Amino acid sequence: DADVTQTPRNRITKTGKRIMLECSQTKGHDRMYWYRQDPGLGLRLIYYSFDVKDINKGEISDGYSVSRQAQAKFSLSLESAIPNQTALYFCATSDSTARSSNEQFFGPGTRLTVL
Amino acid sequence: AQSVSQHNHHVILSEAASLELGCNYSYGGTVNLFWYVQYPGQHLQLLLKYFSGDPLVKGIKGFEAEFIKSKFSFNLRKPSVQWSDTAEYFCAVNAAYTGGFKTIFGAGTRLFVKA
Repeated sequence: DADVTQTPRNRITKTGKRIMLECSQTKGHDRMYWYRQDPGLGLRLIYYSFDVKDINKGEISDGYSVSRQAQAKFSLSLESAIPNQTALYFCATSDSTARSSNEQFFGPGTRLTVL
Repeated sequence: AQSVSQHNHHVILSEAASLELGCNYSYGGTVNLFWYVQYPGQHLQLLLKYFSGDPLVKGIKGFEAEFIKSKFSFNLRKPSVQWSDTAEYFCAVNAAYTGGFKTIFGAGTRLFVKA
């Protein structure tokens, strides 16, 4: 399913580097989300955006920032990467106008390793 | 605080065995409930969802889940698993909170089915 795409798919970087993860969607959804997945912890919400002018912190936003450049694009930045940000990052979308508006559609994930 | 608990972190079954994965949540209001599946190397996909109506919901690939409101549970079941069901399964709960709705994921259950 290529409706939600993420780039890059894999990235290895060093401590202190700035990293940007990008998410694009062709589903026409207004809501977008960034999660990180860690073994045994499930998915934890970093940031979410309900429309282009709406940005909200999730439960683990420290060390991250986001930008909603357009309805279809939502990027996640690590200003100064640290090793405990090594994780699998997922972007997701949902459609507030749909009956099942709380169903989320996920991208393929970005595996980030911070050395 | 709202939480979602998945009791089994790892489950190993033989093919044709029956499966039940537990999910309990802590929230007293109206909820929407989901089970997502993540096959090895892939992104999360919706398995089934409950919004209202019949508390026994059927999803793809022979999975079903039962919402028991009095027990705050939404357990996933399948009568006879296959090797291809090897995956990680996430329960998610969407509920109202101050400012809107939020989806919380459980920590996940890794299922390994032996051929």
